[in-house]
Amino acid sequence: DARVTQTPRHKVTEMGQEVTMRCQPILGHNTVFWYRQTMMQGLELLAYFRNRAPLDDSGMPKDRFSAEMPDATLATLKIQPSEPRDSAVYFCASGLVRGLPGNTEAFFGQGTRLTVV
Amino acid sequence: AQSVTQLGSHVSVSEGALVLLRCNYSSSVPPYLFWYVQYPNQGLQLLLKYTSAATLVKGINGFEAEFKKSETSFHLTKPSAHMSDAAEYFCAVGNNQGGKLIFGQGTELSVKP
Repeated sequence: DARVTQTPRHKVTEMGQEVTMRCQPILGHNTVFWYRQTMMQGLELLAYFRNRAPLDDSGMPKDRFSAEMPDATLATLKIQPSEPRDSAVYFCASGLVRGLPGNTEAFFGQGTRLTVV
Repeated sequence: AQSVTQLGSHVSVSEGALVLLRCNYSSSVPPYLFWYVQYPNQGLQLLLKYTSAATLVKGINGFEAEFKKSETSFHLTKPSAHMSDAAEYFCAVGNNQGGKLIFGQGTELSVKP
């Protein structure tokens, strides 16, 4: 049963600490998305990758957030230093783009619930 | 720029009643449109997608959506609500220039017994 796996599922950390969230996309998928979900802002696209290369990270606060794909089986989202306003659920999703990219279904992981105190 | 707007952040229906969740899109080119559902403490899962093959799209769990270009709408319907349909529903548009998926604000559906 292919699925996107995110770790950890929950993270509580103190303000100023570094947080790393990990995502294992579905094997064979060539596109990875990172979304943040909050009550106030809804689902915001932070960044996405195609064939491990970043296509757009304009949704990310550049001074503290970074996203990478060290290899095809791992995507990471890092926050350093973390702040209380970063508290949210972070979702990773993956998809396989064949032909027109807008037609691509995204498969979501179960999310990492981050609380920064 | 492409976007979607969901009308109504909360919709409440009685079990057995019609479900209608509204979505309007903005796009200068023919859009790819999606409906996703999110159950509590879960990720999003695809209900259905429109890819221009047919204007009436059938999805999982008895849901369907109709693409109406003249109204720039892609409303989601289900003839008879079940308690298990209570969830948050998101409309989204797929961007052809990069493939990013842009979501609406979501509509929370409550189903009363």
